[in-house]
Amino acid sequence: DGGITQSPKYLFRKEGQNVTLSCEQNLNHDAMYWYRQDPGQGLRLIYYSQIVNDFQKGDIAEGYSVSREKKESFPLTVTSAQKNPTAFYLCASNPGQGSYEQYFGPGTRLTVT
Amino acid sequence: SQQGEEDPQALSIQEGENATMNCSYKTSINNLQWYRQNSGRGLVHLILIRSNEREKHSGRLRVTLDTSKKSSSLLITASRAADTASYFCATDDPDRGSTLGRLYFGRGTQLTVWP
Repeated sequence: DGGITQSPKYLFRKEGQNVTLSCEQNLNHDAMYWYRQDPGQGLRLIYYSQIVNDFQKGDIAEGYSVSREKKESFPLTVTSAQKNPTAFYLCASNPGQGSYEQYFGPGTRLTVT
Repeated sequence: SQQGEEDPQALSIQEGENATMNCSYKTSINNLQWYRQNSGRGLVHLILIRSNEREKHSGRLRVTLDTSKKSSSLLITASRAADTASYFCATDDPDRGSTLGRLYFGRGTQLTVWP
């Protein structure tokens, strides 16, 4: 099966703890993205990466960090500095080379109490 | 920041009726896309329309684009209960230095189709 996987589907953490969300793709896509979605809201871009070992901040990067050591993996760490981390997190990828369509994973719902 | 805004925020119809959703955006675009999201799931790409196209069809979907008004509409014909989902428009923004593949999403239209 080709696609994007995110794990886990639900994640619970105590306030003050860092947590890492996994995103893996076997589509051989160059670009990968992390979005945050709050209830009734659209998607807001956190970080994106167009190539291995390179990534850029999106619109709401504060309190988050990423790495892109392998083409197929783009983990997102939600740090304790993120003031409102409870949200639905979506990972996506894009083939690059002039393609605009994004392919999304199933999402991780993070709850911090 | 959000580029597109969908209208209405929510739409409720009966099976068999047509559903029309609108999207307005602010800057010039190369293309506009529509995505669907079932509750608690990831988004699924539906259709892409380029800035030099005015209308595009895919099955029961019809998308129009009016670049002079910076607006697009998505029509779902003969709707089914399984069409119940949120629908988002997404645009690129070449004015912000075309970062390849970066999209800007609206807040979405929640469509409910009653059997």
